Order: sequence, then structure tokens, then C-alpha cells
Amino acid sequence: EAQVTQNPRYLITVTGKKLTVTCSQNMNHEYMSWYRQDPGLGLRQIYYSMNVEVTDKGDVPEGYKVSRKEKRNFPLILESPSPNQTSLYFCASSFGLAENNEQFFGPGTRLTVL
Amino acid sequence: GQSLEQPSEVTAVEGAIVQINCTYQTSGFYGLSWYQQHDGGAPTFLSYNALDGLEETGRFSSFLSRSDSYGYLLLQELQMKDSASYFCAGRGWNRDDKIIFGKGTRLHILP
Repeated sequence: EAQVTQNPRYLITVTGKKLTVTCSQNMNHEYMSWYRQDPGLGLRQIYYSMNVEVTDKGDVPEGYKVSRKEKRNFPLILESPSPNQTSLYFCASSFGLAENNEQFFGPGTRLTVL
Repeated sequence: GQSLEQPSEVTAVEGAIVQINCTYQTSGFYGLSWYQQHDGGAPTFLSYNALDGLEETGRFSSFLSRSDSYGYLLLQELQMKDSASYFCAGRGWNRDDKIIFGKGTRLHILP
């Protein structure tokens, strides 16, 4: 089954404790992206990657890191989480941006930073 | 900057037709996409307009006018299951490959 998976689905952590949210897709997509969703603010892009070893900042990259060492994986790293990073996070992937722009989203990770 | 504007909420009656508008403020986008998100779920792709005009997919249609920097999603024969949030999204012309979403429109359907 074609899908995007994220782990963990739920996480409660404390300020300053490094964490990684994994994202994996099995559709051989080139473009992968991380979003955060907050009430009233919609989906905001954190980082994106056009291909292996190619990453770039989205609109809200502060406090986050990503890596793209393999085509299928795109982990999101919070080196020192803070309470303002409490949010719902989505990973998404697509074949690219030249096609119909259809992105496939993972199920989401709800993160709480105390 | 680049932004997409949508109404925050729209209410319609079951069986009716509803239009959700999206206007954008930029030199333009590489097309406009629409996504649906049910409470507790992930966004799912509905449609994409690369060119001006109407694209129809079953009960849903999407329209784009690049000269007016405007698009809309049209939902016909509304069903209760269409109660969800709807987002327009686009990629900017400045070739930085970012994808920008509108803040979403919450659709309430009355029986």
C-alpha cells in the first residue's frame, strides 16, 4: 500500500530534550516536506527536500533541522524543543512540483512540549 | 509576500451547492491545489488547476483565474460527510519550491 508513515503519532516531552520524528514514504517520491498545523494558522511549511541531500527552509524553519540521506526518509529533528513547538506535525511527499502538485500526507504527529 | 486568503468558515445545507473562494497575493502561482481535512485526519488531495478554467471531479469542481489571482472549490449535492476543512495551496513563482497553504475554510453542513 502506497503511504507516508510517521512516528511517533503522539509525543509528550519536556523543554530542551532532543527528539526526532521520523517520516518514510514508499512511493519513490522526490519531494518531501514537513508542516506544522496550529489552530487558525493552517498548514505552514517547515522544511522541504527536492531530492536526496537537497533540503531547504520553508516558512517556519526556526528550531528545526532535517536531513535527507535516503530518498524514502525525511526525519524532523528538534534539537532543543520549546513549548511554542507544541503542534500537530505532518510529513508529506509528492513526485515533484512539475506535476499536479498532489501531496500525500502522513497521519500526523501530535507533539506536546512541557 | 505570498499568501492565500480563504474565508474561515462557510455554512451550507445538505444537498445544496457551496463555493469556497481562494484569492492569492503574489505575482502568481504554479497552479492552485485543494485539500480536504476531516477532524483528526490528514489533508487529502482533491484537485489541481494548472490553467484557467474549471476542473471537474465528481461532485467537486475547482476553478482558477490567474488574471484575477482567484480560484474556488465548488461542492455540489452536499453530504454530511463533506463537513471538513478545505485548504487551497500553491507554489510561488519565485522558484524557491516552497508550498504555501491558505489558513483553511471550515465547512459546516446543516441537515
